[in-house]
Amino acid sequence: QPVLTQSSSASASLGSSVKLTCTLSSGHSSYIIAWHQQQPGKAPRYLMKLEGSGSYNKGSGVPDRFSGSSSGADRYLTISNLQSEDEADYYCETWDSSTWVFGGGTKLTVL
Amino acid sequence: EVQLVESGGGSVQPGGSLRLSCAASGFTFSSYAMGWVRQAPGKGLEWVSTNTITTSGGSTYYADSVKGRFTISRDSSKKTLYLQMNSLRAEDTAIYYCAKYVSRSGSASDYWGQGTLVTVSS
Repeated sequence: QPVLTQSSSASASLGSSVKLTCTLSSGHSSYIIAWHQQQPGKAPRYLMKLEGSGSYNKGSGVPDRFSGSSSGADRYLTISNLQSEDEADYYCETWDSSTWVFGGGTKLTVL
Repeated sequence: EVQLVESGGGSVQPGGSLRLSCAASGFTFSSYAMGWVRQAPGKGLEWVSTNTITTSGGSTYYADSVKGRFTISRDSSKKTLYLQMNSLRAEDTAIYYCAKYVSRSGSASDYWGQGTLVTVSS
């Protein structure tokens, strides 16, 4: 089954951009993933589904500041013009025929 | 508007049982896969179980950590998803989230409930 690897933490300044990475395990580099945001004390929120080609589909109401891209086994979430409310945990998710998997999550701090 | 409302959480002793419910609205419940994801205190998200829709009725899938102890089911007439949890252990303590998937077969989870807390302790 696939494994997703994320950095445990990241930080960036208010108004700047940040690129978070989710890496698929060997043999699973073509897999589609999803990105989710979890603000402190809240339930997760779906951001987008991201393909290996870099094509992505965002969820309802997700701001234009959020975008996705891909390179090989890496899946990226870029947040532009960082706002204070973007401080959150970000998780990637993938699946195969019978299993769903989450990455360990990246805690984003907005400075 | 899609809404998922979990209930049934609470405190239970090790070895006990609980049944979680997830009331769904705002979409055609019988046309989408549904599942449960949990989050232990201070930890990340962990997939628990998924119920997909197939031409023969449906399929169910479980994480190894809950296989044989938890059972997922749905009642389409009530638009409700369930998770029967038996032989509970301390390590099952977590917030349990109900999730709707993008399609009948699963894929990504695109809507989440607010969660219900399960505490397993003596």
